[in-house]
Amino acid sequence: DQQVKQNSPSLSVQEGRISILNCDYTNSMFDYFLWYKKYPAEGPTFLISISSIKDKNEDGRFTVFLNKSAKHLSLHIVPSQPGDSAVYFCAASAVRGNQFYFGTGTSLTVIP
Amino acid sequence: DSGVTQTPKHLITATGQRVTLRCSPRSGDLSVYWYQQSLDQGLQFLIQYYNGEERAKGNILERFSAQQFPDLHSELNLSSLELGDSALYFCASSVGPSGGINEQFFGPGTRLTVL
Repeated sequence: DQQVKQNSPSLSVQEGRISILNCDYTNSMFDYFLWYKKYPAEGPTFLISISSIKDKNEDGRFTVFLNKSAKHLSLHIVPSQPGDSAVYFCAASAVRGNQFYFGTGTSLTVIP
Repeated sequence: DSGVTQTPKHLITATGQRVTLRCSPRSGDLSVYWYQQSLDQGLQFLIQYYNGEERAKGNILERFSAQQFPDLHSELNLSSLELGDSALYFCASSVGPSGGINEQFFGPGTRLTVL
């Protein structure tokens, strides 16, 4: 049973526009969330995180929003750049837990 | 470069065979995690070792086993291989023992193909 879901397998965005990647989770015990970015032939790399005490966290062009009541988080990339083209995974954990649960990924293509 | 190395990069074998995947964590990291990514699936957590001891277990099949050696490198052994075991296997490492908190650094993965 997939506890973290990314329902959009792919997304295309024009360079300079906003990219919005979505993630839903089912386990109400999750209280820590991360986004990872993955280029082909490489492992995922950490991008940004958010804990459940916040509803927003920013790091440069990347902002993660958390809506606990909807069990939904999103990653906004503004402005999108061609180098952002990659697969993005969201992951969740319960802080007292011992593992991350990953979504299936969204492949982002930023068109120059 | 995450500092996590995995060998081999690619592995092609036949059903029923046994293979060993190897991982060296980042310098200073004591935890090693193993993940499986099958086609159209997210990363599925298999198992974690911390400083040589099994720390957490996920969806790891009985045909699979792992260990972490005194020099902290880890091996994932897959036996009686089936077609469905074809996947990307990632190793990750972190400094601390808490798999749900510590940022994990991933290796480039080993692509296993079972024919």
